[in-house]
Amino acid sequence: GDSVTQMEGPVTLSEEAFLTINCTYTATGYPSLFWYVQYPGEGLQLLLKATKADDKGSNKGFEATYRKETTSFHLEKGSVQVSDSAVYFCALKGGYQKVTFGIGTKLQVIP
Amino acid sequence: DVKVTQSSRYLVKRTGEKVFLECVQDMDHENMFWYRQDPGLGLRLIYFSYDVKMKEKGDIPEGYSVSREKKERFSLILESASTNQTSMYLCASRVQDGYGYTFGSGTRLTVV
Repeated sequence: GDSVTQMEGPVTLSEEAFLTINCTYTATGYPSLFWYVQYPGEGLQLLLKATKADDKGSNKGFEATYRKETTSFHLEKGSVQVSDSAVYFCALKGGYQKVTFGIGTKLQVIP
Repeated sequence: DVKVTQSSRYLVKRTGEKVFLECVQDMDHENMFWYRQDPGLGLRLIYFSYDVKMKEKGDIPEGYSVSREKKERFSLILESASTNQTSMYLCASRVQDGYGYTFGSGTRLTVV
């Protein structure tokens, strides 16, 4: 079945550092890919998405490119802020109605 | 601003109690979902509904049931709460298949 793999973390970075959170997936067909963010005490929010190979999703300085050849959708940001501290979930939408989430990667940004 | 509202942020219930978790969305979305979130396991789908009075089992439906009598409301029912159902419960909705989710803030349920 479908699966999403990402490290649990925590990932600890200094403010203004470059961020990469890796996400790889296994799916049949051509899934849509998503990144969600969960701030402390809140539900998840959609951060960005890509629906086909080579698409780049972007939002709030975050980017991720759908790489079919490596089955990856890594999240990047050029300069993180303390306010980016959160848990980041990679997800894929494969078959009808079915969305599979990764375990979430906790990011801590220190001043 | 569009919203998914979960009725309680925190709940404490006793083993064996029947527990109702309520979720309401104001976006006229077709699809609604219940997930539980546990450390190291991420989000796991319990049940979903793609239309009023329709429901489908997710990956971990055992011990749960759902009700969707109106489009805007999707209830999760724990028939007889057990300690292994202590978890964060997240409700989500989306306009239709292929779109991203809008999540509620979650209900942290503790069963003692």
